[in-house]
Amino acid sequence: QITLKESGPTLVKPTQTLTLTCTFSGFSLSTSGVGVGWIRQPPGKALEWLALIYWNDDKRYSPSLKSRLTITKDTSKNQVVLTMTNMDPVDTATYYCAHGFEYCSGGSCYSGGLDYWGQGTLVTVSS
Amino acid sequence: QTVVTQEPSLTVSPGGTVTLTCASSTGAVTSGYYPNWFQQKPGQAPRALIYSTSNKHSWTPARFSGSLLGGKAALTLSGVQPEDEAEYYCLLYYGGARVFGGGTKLTVL
Repeated sequence: QITLKESGPTLVKPTQTLTLTCTFSGFSLSTSGVGVGWIRQPPGKALEWLALIYWNDDKRYSPSLKSRLTITKDTSKNQVVLTMTNMDPVDTATYYCAHGFEYCSGGSCYSGGLDYWGQGTLVTVSS
Repeated sequence: QTVVTQEPSLTVSPGGTVTLTCASSTGAVTSGYYPNWFQQKPGQAPRALIYSTSNKHSWTPARFSGSLLGGKAALTLSGVQPEDEAEYYCLLYYGGARVFGGGTKLTVL
């Protein structure tokens, strides 16, 4: 059974750095084809994809936020950490982490997507 | 900046069929964009429905299906149930990075 849970501060001040941790169970980030991604959703607005880290430490970022984001993994702790610098009130959102996967068919492997999601954590940016 | 566009809202009658679409500002959506579809109800985390255009997860109801239609990714609901009222998001793959669509609010009325 795959589960993920986000943790971190509920309130950060403008210009501060946000650090969020995704703690997961039911899979290993050392398994080929596995990844963990981060997604956010401002109140009443659409989902926004932020970053993804793969089992082989390959990292992908949203081009519009790349300069502010860092994603890392600690395989031994079953954790993925996302840091976002220079926080602004517009970054107020629910932040989700999700299990990512690739799948193989006919001798080739393909990007699957995101299947299992955490419950999300609301982060408010305010002075 | 890449933009993924979905219908802002659609209405369907119970038992009816509706198709939601997902377009890319870069051109036609193909299987190489590995379209994903998600359902989100108020106050809940998104739930994955479809991956890689048309593949269902083990929990995806049979009435949901994914396809490519006229240069867009499409999600079709056949035999719509009242509990299908929700926001639906597509997600496209751009060589590593991903982009969500703006979402479609589906009303069952």
